[in-house]
Amino acid sequence: SAVISQKPSRDICQRGTSLTIQCQVDSQVTMMFWYRQQPGQSLTLIATANQGSEATYESGFVIDKFPISRPNLTFSTLTVSNMSPEDSSIYLCSAKTLRNEQFFGPGTRLTVL
Amino acid sequence: GESVGLHLPTLSVQEGDNSIINCAYSNSASDYFIWYKQESGKGPQFIIDIRSNMDKRQGQRVTVLLNKTVKHLSLQIAATQPGDSAVYFCAENILRSGNTGKLIFGQGTTLQVKP
Repeated sequence: SAVISQKPSRDICQRGTSLTIQCQVDSQVTMMFWYRQQPGQSLTLIATANQGSEATYESGFVIDKFPISRPNLTFSTLTVSNMSPEDSSIYLCSAKTLRNEQFFGPGTRLTVL
Repeated sequence: GESVGLHLPTLSVQEGDNSIINCAYSNSASDYFIWYKQESGKGPQFIIDIRSNMDKRQGQRVTVLLNKTVKHLSLQIAATQPGDSAVYFCAENILRSGNTGKLIFGQGTTLQVKP
């Protein structure tokens, strides 16, 4: 298995500002992903974080709003830019291991005022 | 289209009984499926997966059944315990180019275990 940590675990931010969420995996993984989960709802894939190249975004998500970096195999960041209250959500980092199992971090709970 | 859904939003069972959580999917090209358990305030926890070339897989107290004919997936939990109370999600791996994949999640079923 892989242990995934995220920082911060939660934050309260003012609208118009940006927040960068960090994700660290404790073992070698092949792929890393970022998801969003509204309270009481399911998970929606934002993008696949590609090492050394631009992330692959899902429909409805764009790089200007959610820039993603993955400088090495086990670390990635997601920035939520120019935040509005609609961005209030839980943001989850996920990674796929060499055995093709996909694990999730504990999530970052974001509240935008 | 790409959608994975669960039949029931909430399932309430008596402690010690068996639980069955169902899931319907629509993409016949998916290569495997995963069940996750999510407790309040935590990220989803991997429970068990099954490849599309299988119809049954067993783990510790859990069994996953896959019926590709009707595109149906189920998770069976034996002797349900209070610690099993959580939201359960099924996820479908959608294949993409370069032999990569992405997980599409169902809406989730809340399992409530009554003592």
